[in-house]
Amino acid sequence: EVQLVESGGGLVQPGRSLRLSCTASGFTFGDYAMSWFRQAPGKGLEWVGFIRSKAYGGTTEYAASVKGRFTISRDDSKSIAYLQMNSLKTEDTAVYYCARSCTSCYIPSWFDPWGQGTLVTVSS
Amino acid sequence: QSALTQPRSVSGSPGQSVTISCTGTSSDVGGYNYVSWYQQHPGKAPKLMIYDVSKRPSGVPDRFSGSKSGNTASLTISGLQAEDEADYYCCSYAGSYTSVVFGGGTKLTVL
Repeated sequence: EVQLVESGGGLVQPGRSLRLSCTASGFTFGDYAMSWFRQAPGKGLEWVGFIRSKAYGGTTEYAASVKGRFTISRDDSKSIAYLQMNSLKTEDTAVYYCARSCTSCYIPSWFDPWGQGTLVTVSS
Repeated sequence: QSALTQPRSVSGSPGQSVTISCTGTSSDVGGYNYVSWYQQHPGKAPKLMIYDVSKRPSGVPDRFSGSKSGNTASLTISGLQAEDEADYYCCSYAGSYTSVVFGGGTKLTVL
């Protein structure tokens, strides 16, 4: 069974950092692009960024709202994708989801499955 | 404000059909055949229902179908069932700079 589990969420003060992990199982992790999303309380979905597979250089793309502050990386040997979040702002408060994307592709055109999400609260 | 425009809510009775629209521009929906749709029940993670405009992942009932005309994509749910009541989000690739955009979501109520 394909499964994704996010971890690392919690309460953090504005300006501080936090790293989220997305642990995958049930598929060949290294073959797939991986994506991060977030959903603020009572709001819609927002794409955060993605990382391509090593076959496509492991390159990353980010939403304008997080570019320069957030970094996505991956450890294919451990089947984990990371979201490093620096200089956090109160508006970054949200449930953060990771999702698997397509294999052998440059453009992640779909996201499936999604993890259960982890809540990040940025507050003093 | 979301990049893609969806109706805030739609409703239908069991057995009926409903269509949810998703309007973008030639830079996203109209420019690529990379529209996907996600179903989200309260407190749950989103679930992929349609990808690449009209393809259905295995396990998704064929009551769910997708289409696109110009800058507007649509999700049609036929034979409505109570468990279809959820929020639905459209998503599109938007080019190398913006990459991925979502609609604001549509709440489907099964009357």
